[in-house]
Amino acid sequence: NAGVTQTPKFRILKIGQSMTLQCAQDMNHNYMYWYRQDPGMGLKLIYYSVGAGITDKGEVPNGYNVSRSTTEDFPLRLELAAPSQTSVYFCASSNSGLEKLFFGSGTQLSVL
Amino acid sequence: GENVEQHPSTLSVQEGDSAVIKCTYSDSASNYFPWYKQELGKRPQLIIDIRSNVGEKKDQRIAVTLNKTAKHFSLHITETQPEDSAVYFCAASEANYQLIWGAGTKLIIKP
Repeated sequence: NAGVTQTPKFRILKIGQSMTLQCAQDMNHNYMYWYRQDPGMGLKLIYYSVGAGITDKGEVPNGYNVSRSTTEDFPLRLELAAPSQTSVYFCASSNSGLEKLFFGSGTQLSVL
Repeated sequence: GENVEQHPSTLSVQEGDSAVIKCTYSDSASNYFPWYKQELGKRPQLIIDIRSNVGEKKDQRIAVTLNKTAKHFSLHITETQPEDSAVYFCAASEANYQLIWGAGTKLIIKP
């Protein structure tokens, strides 16, 4: 099993550009999450999904969108990138809600 | 909503000594408290967790204790080794599949 796969690993965006961060898992997990991690801070939940076709907002959803058309994939869309979105983004999945999250390797995003 | 505070932000201990990291939470309804370890440049990984119906849980050199009355929980690492050097995060559950995370503790193991 590859686990949770995130692409790209690094990206630099200009202000106002858009992009999609990809996340895929091959563990047949129903629960998937997108977090951002700012330097010296804990993780903040952006969006989550409890199954295909179901998504909901977390703590910091503004400026982001998600979709969950399949169990495996949970892409995160950034529209009109802003410097405040410079962060490391982690995707995670779980078989049982909040317990034992498996994280992807992260995407380091800079918006300049 | 839930708020989680984690202390200290940096902890330096001699190899072989014990390390203790503490977290406090605000929401008495929280019932799940995991600890994650994040090595430099790597992804967070679960090292131990505890549910609110349990006071203590151990896994080899790692233990977690929970005091529901005081709303705090702690990570204890005994006989620390160089590979324990990392940033440790605590978290507490909130409604709707949310974990509220502490800001992290950088643990430094001195040889």
